[in-house]
Amino acid sequence: GAGVSQSPRYKVAKRGQDVALRCDPISGHVSLFWYQQALGQGPEFLTYFQNEAQLDKSGLPSDRFFAERPEGSVSTLKIQRTQQEDSAVYLCASSLGRKETQYFGPGTRLLVL
Amino acid sequence: ELKVEQNPLFLSMQEGKNYTIYCNYSTTSDRLYWYRQDPGKSLESLFVLLSNGAVKQEGRLMASLDTKARLSTLHITAAVHDLSATYFCAVDMASSSGTYKYIFGTGTRLKVLA
Repeated sequence: GAGVSQSPRYKVAKRGQDVALRCDPISGHVSLFWYQQALGQGPEFLTYFQNEAQLDKSGLPSDRFFAERPEGSVSTLKIQRTQQEDSAVYLCASSLGRKETQYFGPGTRLLVL
Repeated sequence: ELKVEQNPLFLSMQEGKNYTIYCNYSTTSDRLYWYRQDPGKSLESLFVLLSNGAVKQEGRLMASLDTKARLSTLHITAAVHDLSATYFCAVDMASSSGTYKYIFGTGTRLKVLA
């Protein structure tokens, strides 16, 4: 079956632009996670959804970051007024439950100039 | 502070040799995960360890968990070039507020030399 997909795969934005990153989880997966991975680092947790409910957003670095999953399936991570320090790979993962194995998407590589 | 540390950070080894990667974590957890990441690619799940003393093996990789020591190991037996990748452990840890946080380690970049 299809895995987790993310789009776009690459995004170049000018500083100050808004961007929207999309994640299509595996069908039937209740849990969805967003991570930020800087070059040479491990993924850092951003936010977690259970169905449409955002249960944990403690990892979002600022109020410029916003995530939603309105119908409990596709999720969008939006970054407003992008800054250079937002440049990273944004990974989405889904799982059957909060503590189950997470399946990662290919990531969106964001470069802010 | 919730912390997951791996060592070594970099590992260069000859084919055919054995080695162990260590993952220490700072507070109580009941499960630990190992992932592999190839350059420019996403993460691939290797193992989920659910209890103290758990051991899992897949091919040349074997992972174990000691919850009392807050330590997991990933042992590589008779390394081959195809194992070259970055290996991450991740731990679901209880924060002081009672919520669980999924924390990744720093990663171990493994290079197997022919």
